[in-house]
Amino acid sequence: GENVEQHPSTLSVQEGDSAVIKCTYSDSASNYFPWYKQELGKGPQLIIDIRSNVGEKKDQRIAVTLNKTAKHFSLHITETQPEDSAVYFCAASNSWGKLQFGAGTQVVVTP
Amino acid sequence: EAQVTQNPRYLITVTGKKLTVTCSQNMNHEYMSWYRQDPGLGLRQIYYSMNVEVTDKGDVPEGYKVSRKEKRNFPLILESPSPNQTSLYFCASSELAGGGETQYFGPGTRLLVL
Repeated sequence: GENVEQHPSTLSVQEGDSAVIKCTYSDSASNYFPWYKQELGKGPQLIIDIRSNVGEKKDQRIAVTLNKTAKHFSLHITETQPEDSAVYFCAASNSWGKLQFGAGTQVVVTP
Repeated sequence: EAQVTQNPRYLITVTGKKLTVTCSQNMNHEYMSWYRQDPGLGLRQIYYSMNVEVTDKGDVPEGYKVSRKEKRNFPLILESPSPNQTSLYFCASSELAGGGETQYFGPGTRLLVL
C-alpha cells in the first residue's frame, strides 16, 4: 500500500518568511496529492491539491509542487502570517484507493 | 450550512464500558470514513463506507465497529474500550468514493479511556 512520509514534524518561522513542508510517497500509481490544514480544536480542512498531470499549482500565498519522478511533493507558504499557525497534513492516493496521510507538520509563525 | 457533525466532542470513560460516537453529514455524500489521530502518526483510517449498508475496514479497525443504515449517519462503536483507544477521532465524508475526492472533516471527538 501507499506510504507517505512528511518532514519536518515541527516548523517555526518568523512572520513574513516562507515555510516549506516536504512529503514523499511510495506508490507510483498515486495521482492525487491534497494538503489539509488543521487549526486548534478543529478538523482538517483542504487548502490545496494537485493531480499528477501538473507540476505546480498556486493559490494566493500557498503553492504546491509535484515531482513524479522523485515521488515527492511540497507545500510552500509565502509571507507567513500568524493565522498560518496550524498542523498541516499531506496525503496521497490513486483514483480508486483511499487517502494515505503523512504524520503532520506543526507550523508556528512567530510575530 | 454544509457540515459534518460529531457527538460528543469530549468523552471520558472507563475500560470496558461500551460507547458510541455519532457522525452525521448534511451534504448527501456517499462516502464516509472514521480516522483516529495520534501524535507522530497522523490520521489513520479505522473504517469507511462507500454507501448505505456498505462498510469496510481501514488500516486500524481492531476494537471498533461501524454501521451505515442511513446515508447521513455513520456511528463509531467501541464495544469494550481499552486505554490504547484513547485518541482524537474524526469523521469525514466525500461526495463519492475514490481517492481524488475532497474529504470534509467533522470537528473531532477527544476520547480518554481510563
